[in-house]
Order: sequence, then C-alpha cells, then structure tokens
Amino acid sequence: KAGVTQTPRYLIKTRGQQVTLSCSPISGHRSVSWYQQTPGQGLQFLFEYFSETQRNKGNFPGRFSGRQFSNSRSEMNVSTLELGDSALYLCASSLGQKAEAFFGQGTRLTVV
Amino acid sequence: ILNVEQSPQSLHVQEGDSTNFTCSFPSSNFYALHWYRWETAKSPEALFVMTLNGDEKKKGRISATLNTKEGYSYLYIKGSQPEDSATYLCAFIVLTGGGNKLTFGTGTQLKVEL
Repeated sequence: KAGVTQTPRYLIKTRGQQVTLSCSPISGHRSVSWYQQTPGQGLQFLFEYFSETQRNKGNFPGRFSGRQFSNSRSEMNVSTLELGDSALYLCASSLGQKAEAFFGQGTRLTVV
Repeated sequence: ILNVEQSPQSLHVQEGDSTNFTCSFPSSNFYALHWYRWETAKSPEALFVMTLNGDEKKKGRISATLNTKEGYSYLYIKGSQPEDSATYLCAFIVLTGGGNKLTFGTGTQLKVEL
C-alpha cells in the first residue's frame, strides 16, 4: 500500500513569490491535514480537509490556503512568501479522528 | 489556546536503560491522544492512539498509559536500544464537533548510546 506522497521534496523560493505544495494521501483516506515545522517549534497545525471541505484551520495568516480534490489529493498554497515561511511542511492523511495519522516525507521550503 | 507540554526536552541514556517521558495536556474536552516517533530524515510514525482514561497500550518494548482526568500520558521504553533514538511526540485532539486537528507537543529527543 503506497504511503503519503508529498511533492516537491525541496523548494527554494524568493520573498514575495508564491508556492504550491502537493500531497497524495493513502488510498481510502479522506482526511488530509497540513503541518508546519520551524526550528525550535513543534508541529503547528495549518488546516484539515475532508471530502473537499476545510474542516479545521490553525492560526496562520490568510496567505496560507489549501484545497482538496475529489480524489482526496490536497494542495497547499502560500502567497507573498516571507523569510519566516521557511520550514518543513508535512502532510498527513487518516481515516478519522481516532485513527493514527500517516505522514508524508515533507516538503522543505526555503525562502531567500 | 491549547497547550501540550512534553518533558524532558531531551534525554541521553545508555543501551539497556529503561526510560519514560511525560506528555501533559488540558483535561477538558479530551477526545484522543496520539504518540508518534520521528526519526531523523524520516516521517513521523504513529506508535499509539489512546482514547479512554486508564488506557494502557504496548508495542514491543514501548508502552504508554493515559490519565484523562489529570491530563497526562506516560511513554515507557524498556531496555533502550540505539534504534530507539528519535524524537517522541505526543499530540492531543479536543472534542470540537468534528475535524482532525492534532495539537502537538515539542517532543522529547531521545539518544541511546552504546
């Protein structure tokens, strides 16, 4: 069974640009969540999608947005990139709230 | 604001030692607690999902307990091995009417030395 796939693995962008990250969940998982990890911080919740609807949102500015497609694949977009957006972005899929989350390898974003 | 605290922040033990870590979380509106192991250059991997007060779960040499009334969970590793070296994360879900929002602690970094 294929795991959670995130693309790209690494990305370098310039301040002010925008970026789109992609996540393909495990087949059958309809919940996809996104997390940000910066040095010294734990995993910070960005948002969760379930059946193409955003179900939960973390405390991030509106520059961070996402969507989910009918095949459960999800994308995350960050507009007007700032240096502080440099981080590891992890996507996780699961069957539900009481089920374990399966994480992708992450996308390492560097903003210069 | 929900806060999940883990202690200690880091731990160095010798091979064969047993060790334990603590995860503290708000006890109100508890729904579930997850434990994950995150090895360097890999993805976080689920160890346990715990939902009931008094839950005890075991996987090999690793076990966990849950006290939802006082808001803490312990993770135990018996006879630590070098391959146990990783960051151990706990994450908490509150009952908010739906959704899968995990609030993570900052983790306990374990280093097992030969």
